[in-house]
Amino acid sequence: EVQLVQSGAEVKKPGESLKISCQGSGYSFTRYWIGWVRQKPGKGLEWMGIIYPGDSETRYSPSLQGQVTISADKSVSTAYLQWRTLKASDTAMYYCARTDVDISNFASDYWGQGTLVTVSS
Amino acid sequence: QTVVTQEPSLTVSPGGTVTLTCASSTGAVTSGYYPNWFQQKPGQAPRALIYSTNNKHSWTPARFSGSLLGGKAALTLSGVQPEDEAEYYCLLYHGGEGVFGTGTKVTVL
Repeated sequence: EVQLVQSGAEVKKPGESLKISCQGSGYSFTRYWIGWVRQKPGKGLEWMGIIYPGDSETRYSPSLQGQVTISADKSVSTAYLQWRTLKASDTAMYYCARTDVDISNFASDYWGQGTLVTVSS
Repeated sequence: QTVVTQEPSLTVSPGGTVTLTCASSTGAVTSGYYPNWFQQKPGQAPRALIYSTNNKHSWTPARFSGSLLGGKAALTLSGVQPEDEAEYYCLLYHGGEGVFGTGTKVTVL
């Protein structure tokens, strides 16, 4: 059974750093991309970026490039989303999604349960 | 920055048919944008319905179908059920970047 299990909710202060995770199981982790999606309270979905754990090739949304870092450790089948300096505006639910990308397809199929990040002084 | 626009809200009667659309600020949506569609209910993670314009996942009910319509991506719900009441998002992927649509709230009344 394919599963993406995300790390638990976090409460942080502005200026702090954070790394959340998304562990895949039930499939070949290096064969699929992992995408990250942000959803601010009461708002829609925002595509943040995507990583291919096989070689760590990463693509970012232009609006978020430089604000977050996406990485992966294939030895533990886990993708990460990291902030060096959190802001209150980073408060959101963050989802990871397994994504199949090739010349004829782009398919995000399985999703994690979400990680709620709250940034407040 | 590409903007992807959907109808803010649509209302449909049980058993009826409704079509949601997904338009790009860059021009006509083609199969090369690999349109995906997702359903999200309150308090839940999104659920994938359609990928690459018109392909269904193994769990996607037969009443959901995807297409291209008048330069937009489209999601049609036929024989709508009460449990289809939800927010629906499209996702377009082009040039290495994904952009979600603004979302459509579907009410079954």
